[in-house]
Formats: sequence, structure tokens, C-alpha cells
Amino acid sequence: GESVGLHLPTLSVQEGDNSIINCAYSNSASDYFIWYKQESGKGPQFIIDIRSNMDKRQGQRVTVLLNKTVKHLSLQIAATQPGDSAVYFCAEKGWGGSNYKLTFGKGTLLTVNP
Amino acid sequence: GAVVSQHPSRVICKSGTSVKIECRSLDFQATTMFWYRQFPKQSLMLMATSNEGSKATYEQGVEKDKFLINHASLTLSTLTVTSAHPEDSSFYICSANRVGTDTQYFGPGTRLTVL
Repeated sequence: GESVGLHLPTLSVQEGDNSIINCAYSNSASDYFIWYKQESGKGPQFIIDIRSNMDKRQGQRVTVLLNKTVKHLSLQIAATQPGDSAVYFCAEKGWGGSNYKLTFGKGTLLTVNP
Repeated sequence: GAVVSQHPSRVICKSGTSVKIECRSLDFQATTMFWYRQFPKQSLMLMATSNEGSKATYEQGVEKDKFLINHASLTLSTLTVTSAHPEDSSFYICSANRVGTDTQYFGPGTRLTVL
């Protein structure tokens, strides 16, 4: 079946560095993607989203890039801070037969070293 | 805005008992709510989609008679785990779609431990 996956399960960076988290998707019909941040013991927190008619979208310290040719999505975090340490999930919105639903990737654990 | 709450945040119960988890959208209306389950160090897996005023749609492999979902209003959905067993121990998370948007807002999750 269709799936959304991540290349790197863990990422360790130094405080102040930029972080890049990658995600590959397989459903070429997907037209909406979201990045979520999940801290330990908490629910996912919306970070940024992007539609398939865009290649890039920027937020506060975060940028999402979408490459539809190779079905690849990335999240860039500028000047990474210790508070950014969490698991990051990409999610793909697709039609589930009766409703739209999100399919989550496996997640990447980001650790920021002070 | 767009706050989703869950209650309780943690629950411990004996095997064979039933547990009800509430999911509320506090400052917006949600025609659709979603229930996910997350095992340790794993991703979120969608269990069911709950539409206000109609029956929930369950994902393949999720027993609808075991995981009862009720979505009686535009701000409240409940998940009842019936006859819970230790293998049902997990982190249950709900989300809600703000009417007219694609964005799903997630609750803080409920940690269920079945002894």
C-alpha cells in the first residue's frame, strides 16, 4: 500500500546549527503534507504544511521543501535550539475511501546538544 | 486558538474493564475527529474517523465492537475501550479538523495502562 517514510530515524545536532529532516512519500496523488513535532508524552504539534502546488514554504525558523519529481519532503530548522529536541513526523493527507485522513511517517528523533 | 483537550491524561485499569476517553475541541467546532494509537517509539496509527452525528469509520484491523466511538456534538468525541486487555495499553491521541480547513489539531494524548 501507499506509505510515507523517513530516511533518518535519528539526528543529533549542535545548538545553533541548522537541522534538516527528510521524508519520502510514495503516493504521487498526495497534494497536502504536514510536519508535526511531538515531545515525549505529548500529542503532535503542528509545525508547517505545504500543498503540492508549492515547492517551498517558510515559517518562523522553519522551512518546508517539496520535490514532487522525486516525491521528497524536507523540514529545515534554522538555528536549532535545545527546545527543538523532539520526534518529528511528516504526514500525508489522502483520500481514505470515505474521508480524508493523515498517514504518518515513522518519525525522526532530533537531539540538540548544548 | 485551535485547542484540543483529552481526559483523562492517564488511566490505569484492570483487565476486563472498560475505559472511556474524551476528546474536546475547546475553541472551535469540529465535524470530524480522529482517533490514533501510538505504541512506544512508533508512529501514530489511525484507528477511526469520527463524524458528528454519524457512525465512525474504522481502519482495517480495528475492532469496532471493542473500540466504541461516539461523536455526539461538534466539540466532543469519546472513545471507549471495552473489555480492556494488557495489549491495549498504549498512548491514545485524538485530533480534530477545524470546519473549513485541512489542518488537524491534536490533543495531548491519554496514556492507558491495563494491568
